[in-house]
Order: sequence, then C-alpha cells, then structure tokens
Amino acid sequence: GENVEQHPSTLSVQEGDSAVIKCTYSDSASNYFPWYKQELGKGPQLIIDIRSNVGEKKDQRIAVTLNKTAKHFSLHITETQPEDSAVYFCAASKGGSYIPTFGRGTSLIVHP
Amino acid sequence: SQTIHQWPATLVQPVGSPLSLECTVEGTSNPNLYWYRQAAGRGLQLLFYSVGIGQISSEVPQNLSASRPQDRQFILSSKKLLLSDSGFYLCAFHTGANEKLFFGSGTQLSVL
Repeated sequence: GENVEQHPSTLSVQEGDSAVIKCTYSDSASNYFPWYKQELGKGPQLIIDIRSNVGEKKDQRIAVTLNKTAKHFSLHITETQPEDSAVYFCAASKGGSYIPTFGRGTSLIVHP
Repeated sequence: SQTIHQWPATLVQPVGSPLSLECTVEGTSNPNLYWYRQAAGRGLQLLFYSVGIGQISSEVPQNLSASRPQDRQFILSSKKLLLSDSGFYLCAFHTGANEKLFFGSGTQLSVL
C-alpha cells in the first residue's frame, strides 16, 4: 500500500518568513495530492491540492510543487502570519473513491 | 452545498460506559464516509469507512464499531469504553466523483 512520509514534524518561523513542508510517497499510481490545515480543536480543512498532470499550483501565499519522478511534493507558504500556525497534513491517493494516505503532520508555529 | 455535522463536540465518559458518536452529511447522496481518530494532537488513524448503507470496513481491530443506518448517517459506537479510547474523533466524507475529503469539526473524547 501507499506510504507517505512528511517532514519536518515541527517547524518554527518568524512572521514574514517562508515555510516549506515536504512529503514523499511510495506508490507511483498515486495521482492526487491534497494538503490540509488543522487548527487547534478543529477538523482538518483542505487548503490546496494538486494532480499528477501539474507540476505546480499557487493560491495567494500558498503553493504546492510536485515531482513525480522523485515521488515528492511540497507545500510552500510565503510571508507567514501568526494565523498560519496550525498542523498541516499532506496526503496521496489514486483519486476517485480511493482512500487518501496521510502524512503524520507538521506543526507550524509562526512567531509574531 | 455539501456540509457535514458531527456531535457532540466534547464528551467525558467513565471507563466501561457505552459510546455513541453521530455524523450526518447534507447536500449529497451516497457519500463515502470515514471515521478517523487522532491521539496526542497528531496523526490521522483511519478506523472505519463505508461505501454504502450497511457496508462497513474496519481498518484497525479495537474496542469500537461503526454503523451506517441511513445513506448520510454514520455512527461510531462502543459497548464499554477503555482509557485508550480517549482521543479526537473525526468524521469525513467524499462523493465518489470527487476525491476531495471533507472533515467534520471533531469530537474530543476523554475517558476517565
């Protein structure tokens, strides 16, 4: 089955800095890669996703890149703000009704 | 629009007592439904998933069970809670044609 590794487990940055979270996956058949943000005491919320036919996707201050050959994908957050502080999860799936496999999460702390 | 409701938000139960957590989905039909658990604020452990009424798949053998009495209703139960059942329980869904997974707001269960 699919295995998703996520690093780092904790990331501490100063407000205004950039943050990068990296994930690797094992199943070359995976073609859908979502990222979730979970604030304290709440359920994870989808913030951005990318499909295997695209190498990069941006949405304001967040971007995701995908390297299918190396089987890794990354989340980039620029100009971080304290409200970006949360746990971020990456995931990989074969799309459709396949159950996504999640990474173990990264706790991002943005210091004002 | 599609929404998911999960309750209660917080629950404190004594060891050995029963459990019933409920999740309902609105705005779609025949969703795939999931129960996840988070321990220690990190990591999403898939407990059960269902692709239709009465169809339940268990990912992890444990003290819990799930049922789907109606198309958009998913229930997590236990006859006798253990201390190790404490955690943050999340219900999630997606429709077959859309791989985006949507989470409920979660239930924080403390077994004392």
